[in-house]
Amino acid sequence: GQQVQQSPTSLVLQEGENAELQCNFSTSLNSMQWFYQRPGGSLISVFYNPSGTKQSGRLTSTTVIKERRSSLHISSSQITDSGTYLCAMEPSSGQKLVFGQGTILKVYL
Amino acid sequence: DAGVTQTPRHEVAEKGQTIILKCEPVSGHNDLFWYRQTKIQGLELLSYFRSKSLMEDGGAFKDRFKAEMLNSSFSTLKIQPTEPKDSAVYLCASSLTTNTGQLYFGEGSKLTVL
Repeated sequence: GQQVQQSPTSLVLQEGENAELQCNFSTSLNSMQWFYQRPGGSLISVFYNPSGTKQSGRLTSTTVIKERRSSLHISSSQITDSGTYLCAMEPSSGQKLVFGQGTILKVYL
Repeated sequence: DAGVTQTPRHEVAEKGQTIILKCEPVSGHNDLFWYRQTKIQGLELLSYFRSKSLMEDGGAFKDRFKAEMLNSSFSTLKIQPTEPKDSAVYLCASSLTTNTGQLYFGEGSKLTVL
């Protein structure tokens, strides 16, 4: 089965609404990262978050290693937030980063 | 500081051709990764280098895919011979170390095999 489950698969929001993206991991992990990808663009690291809560502007990432989950909260979404958000984890087994399938976010006026 | 640089950005090849994609990691980074991204499969790891040594060669991709890192600042991914199913975006990424660092991606090379 998939080691990284992201939800929802896609999300449509009106500008100003908040978004909550989730990642659940089936195995124990050392750390995880959130990436943002604009359509046709490359991946940009948004958060490197081994554990706890981190905030950057309107984005907040919360990772609970023991519960094998992480969330990304986007407050007051803007059209420019549209794109794909991917989470990736570094398994404790020593495998390399394992990526989720991504959440496609579309924000409209 | 320059990020990860990939060339070419776009490549169109005929089936059976050999193509070589290039990557320059962030200066000083020890780990380099090659990924393939498609809509169906998402991100798949092709190769992983640590301090220029090949640590992982992507299992199923061994056949026609060969990544090399001749020095710490340059890596190539050769696909030989290309097949239409190889059409994808090939992403190169680097990090200072695997266990403690963020991963930085290049802009990618979009390959179309006819």
